[in-house]
Amino acid sequence: QVTLRESGPALVKPTQTLTLTCNFSGFSLSTTGMRVNWVRQPPGKALEWLARIDWNDDKFYSTSLKTRLAISKDTSKNQVVLTVTNMDPVDTATYYCARMLWGFGLDFWGQGTLVTVSS
Amino acid sequence: EIVMTQSSLSLPVTPGEPASISCRSSQSLLHSTGYNYLNWYVQKPGQSPQLLIYLGSSRASGVPDRFSGSGSGTDFTLKISRVKTEDVGVYYCMQGLQTPYSFGQGTKLEIK
Repeated sequence: QVTLRESGPALVKPTQTLTLTCNFSGFSLSTTGMRVNWVRQPPGKALEWLARIDWNDDKFYSTSLKTRLAISKDTSKNQVVLTVTNMDPVDTATYYCARMLWGFGLDFWGQGTLVTVSS
Repeated sequence: EIVMTQSSLSLPVTPGEPASISCRSSQSLLHSTGYNYLNWYVQKPGQSPQLLIYLGSSRASGVPDRFSGSGSGTDFTLKISRVKTEDVGVYYCMQGLQTPYSFGQGTKLEIK
C-alpha cells in the first residue's frame, strides 16, 4: 500500500536552513505522471501549498517562498527532500508531503511533521 | 495566481441533515479536456488531510456516496447528503489547474 512519512528536526533556530525528507513506499517517482508535493499548516491555520516535483524532475514552487525553497528527489531511495532557507518563526508549521498522480488530487498524505522555529 | 475563497468559515449541522459547502476560484478551473481541476479535502481533528473529491465531482477511493461535488468554472459545491458525527472536521477546496496550487481558507463543519 502507499505510505509517506516526513522526517526532520522538530526545532530550528531563526535564519537556519530546514531540511525535510519524505520517505515513501508503494509507488515509484519514476512512473510517468507521478508527483510529490509539500504542503504546510501553521498551528490553527489553513493549508498552504509549497512545492511539487514530478517524475521527469520538473519542479514548481510557491511564488511567495520560491527564493527560499528547493525540492529534489532520489528515485532509487524513494525519497523527496525539501529545504527551506532562512527560517523564521512564521514558518512554524506542520509540514506534509503528499502524492499526486497527474492532476487527480493529493491522494495520499504523510502524517506530517511539526517544525517549530524559535531561538 | 488563483485565489480560492470559501464563503463560510463555520457550518453547524444537525446529524442526518444535509450540508453544503461553497468554494469560488478567481479564475476558471475548467481545462480544455472538459475537467474542472478542483479538489475537496477534509481534515478531521488531529489527522492529516484526506482527499474526498477530485476533478470537481469524482469521489476518491473509499469515500462514501453521501459526499458529492458539483460546479464548473469558478463556482463549486461539496454536498453531504446526510451528515454523520464522524464528518466533523475542516473542509478545504484546492485548485489543481496550475501551479502554484492554492487552498481555500477552510470550512469547519460542526455538529449542532
